Amino acid sequence: GQSLEQPSEVTAVEGAIVQINCTYQTSGFYGLSWYQQHDGGAPTFLSYNALDGLEETGRFSSFLSRSDSYGYLLLQELQMKDSASYFCAAYRGGGKLIFGQGTELSVKP
Amino acid sequence: DVKVTQSSRYLVKRTGEKVFLECVQDMDHENMFWYRQDPGLGLRLIYFSYDVKMKEKGDIPEGYSVSREKKERFSLILESASTNQTSMYLCASSRLSGRGDTEAFFGQGTRLTVV
Repeated sequence: GQSLEQPSEVTAVEGAIVQINCTYQTSGFYGLSWYQQHDGGAPTFLSYNALDGLEETGRFSSFLSRSDSYGYLLLQELQMKDSASYFCAAYRGGGKLIFGQGTELSVKP
Repeated sequence: DVKVTQSSRYLVKRTGEKVFLECVQDMDHENMFWYRQDPGLGLRLIYFSYDVKMKEKGDIPEGYSVSREKKERFSLILESASTNQTSMYLCASSRLSGRGDTEAFFGQGTRLTVV
């Protein structure tokens, strides 16, 4: 089958660093994406890793290891506004995505 | 500002009704998608379309159909609504190819309740 596994919830304090892991099992894998969704909002694109390694975009970084079928999203200098759900998604080509079940991040003062 | 617009934020329909969910994008994207989102299950792909009048089944197409008569508009149809179709429905669009098709733009969602 095709599936992505990520923790259901993570809690961290403001200013800290948090890592959200994602393991995947899917055929036709092209790369791994991450999306953020605030409560009641639309999912928004954060990053995409086609190749192994770390990609950094401001406070957010994303990592992929194809050999381990594993990736993570790293959020640094956490802010209250980072409280949201984060989804990893395997990209299958042609725009098609398979999503994980989502990780709810709570940032505490 | 790029936009994917879904016609309704909330809908309540009766079992057995035919339900239409409408989605319009203003980015001239070729790809359009319908997902449903349920707690603990993430987003699951129902149908997608690469072009006008083209459609392909996603992972959970049973009980649904779609229509794409114009490039900017993609409709999801529940032929006979059932209570297990109560869910949040999300429309998305992306470019056809290249790096652009790895980034999907989502609408705000339609929360459908079937009673």
